[in-house]
Amino acid sequence: QITLKESGPPVVKPTQTLTLTCTFSGFSLSAYGVGVGWIRQPPGEALEWLADIDWDGDKYYSPDLKSRLTITKDTSKNQVVLTMTNMDPLDTGTYFCAQRPHDSRGSGYFQHWGQGALVIVSS
Amino acid sequence: DIQMTQSPSTLSASVGDRVTITCRAGQKISNWLAWYQQKPGKAPKLLISQASSLENGVPSRFSGSASGTEFTLTISSLQPDDVATYYCQQFKSFSKTFGRGTKVE
Repeated sequence: QITLKESGPPVVKPTQTLTLTCTFSGFSLSAYGVGVGWIRQPPGEALEWLADIDWDGDKYYSPDLKSRLTITKDTSKNQVVLTMTNMDPLDTGTYFCAQRPHDSRGSGYFQHWGQGALVIVSS
Repeated sequence: DIQMTQSPSTLSASVGDRVTITCRAGQKISNWLAWYQQKPGKAPKLLISQASSLENGVPSRFSGSASGTEFTLTISSLQPDDVATYYCQQFKSFSKTFGRGTKVE
């Protein structure tokens, strides 16, 4: 059974750096073709992809947020960490981590999701 | 970024209705498209990958199809449990993008 869970501060102040941790089980991030991504959702709005990290360490970022994001993995701990700098109230929303499976037909969709972590940016 | 234009934004239907949601890609994405269902307060759930490949456990009333850059999610007979918001997502590009969502009421 694959599970993922996001953790991090529920409230951050503007200009601060947000650090979110995704702790997962049921799969290995060192397995060929597997990846973990972060997706966020402002209240009442659509999903927005933020970043991915692959089994081999390759990283991909949203062009709009690339300068503010860093994604890393700790395979031994089964964790993926996302940091976002210079937080703004517009960054308020639910942040999800999700697993990308290996799919020989084309991998890039998110099969398993965490429950999400609400982050409020407010002074 | 590859833009994904999803329509309609809201859809009202009755139990038993056939429901169709469309997503148009800004450029060719082959079949690299997924559909998700999201209920309020919950994480999205993967319904379909590769434009038409139904995930295990997803009811067969859901189906996906593709024609060029236009993709369709069809619910053949709407059930009360299908009330949700549906999103498409392209993964042709490393920079993934979602549609704006369709709320099915």
